[in-house]
Amino acid sequence: GQQVMQIPQYQHVQEGEDFTTYCNSSTTLSNIQWYKQRPGGHPVFLIQLVKSGEVKKQKRLTFQFGEAKKNSSLHITATQTTDVGTYFCAGQHSNYQLIWGAGTKLIIKP
Amino acid sequence: NAGVTQTPKFRILKIGQSMTLQCTQDMNHNYMYWYRQDPGMGLKLIYYSVGAGITDKGEVPNGYNVSRSTTEDFPLRLELAAPSQTSVYFCASSYYGWDEQYFGPGTRLTVT
Repeated sequence: GQQVMQIPQYQHVQEGEDFTTYCNSSTTLSNIQWYKQRPGGHPVFLIQLVKSGEVKKQKRLTFQFGEAKKNSSLHITATQTTDVGTYFCAGQHSNYQLIWGAGTKLIIKP
Repeated sequence: NAGVTQTPKFRILKIGQSMTLQCTQDMNHNYMYWYRQDPGMGLKLIYYSVGAGITDKGEVPNGYNVSRSTTEDFPLRLELAAPSQTSVYFCASSYYGWDEQYFGPGTRLTVT
């Protein structure tokens, strides 16, 4: 079946270091969405990428969609304690269903 | 707007019991979804609805049932609860099928 693989599962960083998470789909996606989930909370939408090769920025967050629309990445520059949480990618094919990656948990080392 | 609300927040069920998880949205969204999230995992789609009176199975529908009699409400029914149904359940909604999804706060269910 359709799968979205997300790596790494965890990333420990010092505050101020960068963070990157990667998603790969087994099939071409119509779009990919990114969500953030704080500990004990619910997923909150961050962004949607639709076009091949698209790059979008939100302050310190940079999102990319691959040329083949099968992979995507989220990069956070100079992490802050407010960035702590789990970041999920969710890929959409031709129907209404999102296929979710397993998430990357960002842990900031004290 | 309250957004998406879910009740209850927590529930403990015994094996074989049944219950209904409630979900209501006040954003006039057409699409509604039920997900389950197991520890350390991503979300799995249980059922979804594209409008009142229309529902369809997602990735993991076994052991669950849904109905959508109004635009606002999308209850999830668990019949004959099993330990494998221990999870956090999220309801979500969106205006279009390709739109961002808005999530409720979740129901943490334990079956023992």
